[in-house]
This record gives sequence, C-alpha cells and structure tokens, in this order.
Amino acid sequence: SQKIEQNSEALNIQEGKTATLTCNYTNYSPAYLQWYRQDPGRGPVFLLLIRENEKEKRKERLKVTFDTTLKQSLFHITASQPADSATYLCALGPIKAAGNKLTFGGGTRVLVKP
Amino acid sequence: NAGVTQTPKFRVLKTGQSMTLLCAQDMNHEYMYWYRQDPGMGLRLIHYSVGEGTTAKGEVPDGYNVSRLKKQNFLLGLESAAPSQTSVYFCASSYSGTSGNTYEQYFGPGTRLTVT
Repeated sequence: SQKIEQNSEALNIQEGKTATLTCNYTNYSPAYLQWYRQDPGRGPVFLLLIRENEKEKRKERLKVTFDTTLKQSLFHITASQPADSATYLCALGPIKAAGNKLTFGGGTRVLVKP
Repeated sequence: NAGVTQTPKFRVLKTGQSMTLLCAQDMNHEYMYWYRQDPGMGLRLIHYSVGEGTTAKGEVPDGYNVSRLKKQNFLLGLESAAPSQTSVYFCASSYSGTSGNTYEQYFGPGTRLTVT
C-alpha cells in the first residue's frame, strides 16, 4: 500500500529564514501531489498542487518541487513569518479513478520564532 | 458562501451509543469525503461519495456508514460507538475535475468526538 512520510518532529525556524519540509512516498507513482496547511482546531486548507511533469511550482513565498525519481517533494517557505506557524500536510492525488481521493501524510509542524 | 459546515462541533458518547455527523456544502461540489484525524496518523479516509446516492469505502470504513441523499449533504453514522472511534472527524468536498483542473479539497472545521 502507499506510504507517505513527513518529518514528525516539529521544525523550529527563525523569522526571515527559509523553512524546508520533506515529503517522501513509496509504493506509488502519483500524477499529482498537493500541500495543505492546517492550523490548530481547524480543517486543512489547500495551498499548492504540482503535477508529475512539473519540476517546480511557486505561489508567493511558497515553492514546491516534485522529484518522481527520488519519490520526494520538498516544500519551501521563504522569508518565513510567525504567521506561517502551522502544520503542513502533504497529500498524494487526486486518484481520478476513485473519486479524486487523496492520501495524506502525517504532517510537519512548523514554528516560526520572531 | 458558508463553504463546508459540520454539525456538531463536539460530542461525547458512551460505548455502544449511536450518532450521526452531518456535513453540508454550498459550492455545488460533486465529490464529498469523510476523514478521521488521530495524533501521529494524519488524515485517513473513511468513506467518500462521487454523487448523490453513491458512496464508496475508503481506507478505514469499519464501524461507519454513510449516506448521500442530497448533493449538498453527506452523513456519517456510527451505529455502535467504540473508544477506538475517539477522533477528530473532517468532512471535505471537491469538484469532479472534469470542469477544469480543480482538484483541491475544501474542508470543514471538524467534529471532535470522544467515546468513553
């Protein structure tokens, strides 16, 4: 079965620095990969989707890379701010043949210190 | 637009009791999903629906039933609650993707369920 691994340890980073999160997966070759942000006590919110034929995707201060050979995605937050503190979830999918369902990783908590 | 709403926000059940969680969306999305989130386990898909009157099992369907009688609503039922079902439950919805490449899922605020 698919397995998705995100660093379960929290990432503590100084304001202004770049935070880099890793998402590794096995037993699957997804055509798409998504990243979500989740704040405490709230539902996840979509951030970015990257396709298998895209090496890199950017949105404001966020950058995602997708290496299908290494089976890895990297998520970067540049010029990090305390407001970026949250848990970030990686998700494989959608799987179009199965209701566009997603398979989520466990998430990595990011804490940006002023 | 309210987006995705969930009722109730919190609930405490005793073992063996039943309850229904209600999810509603006002975005005319075809697809809807129920997840549970446990510490260290991430989001796990319980059941999903690709349209009114159709449902399918996800990764962890045992002990749960669902119904989608109306396009905007997706109900999750626990017939006989067990302590292992203590969790935070999230509903989500999305477009089918056929009308443009919009694959993101929109999540509700969650329901925190405790079974004692």
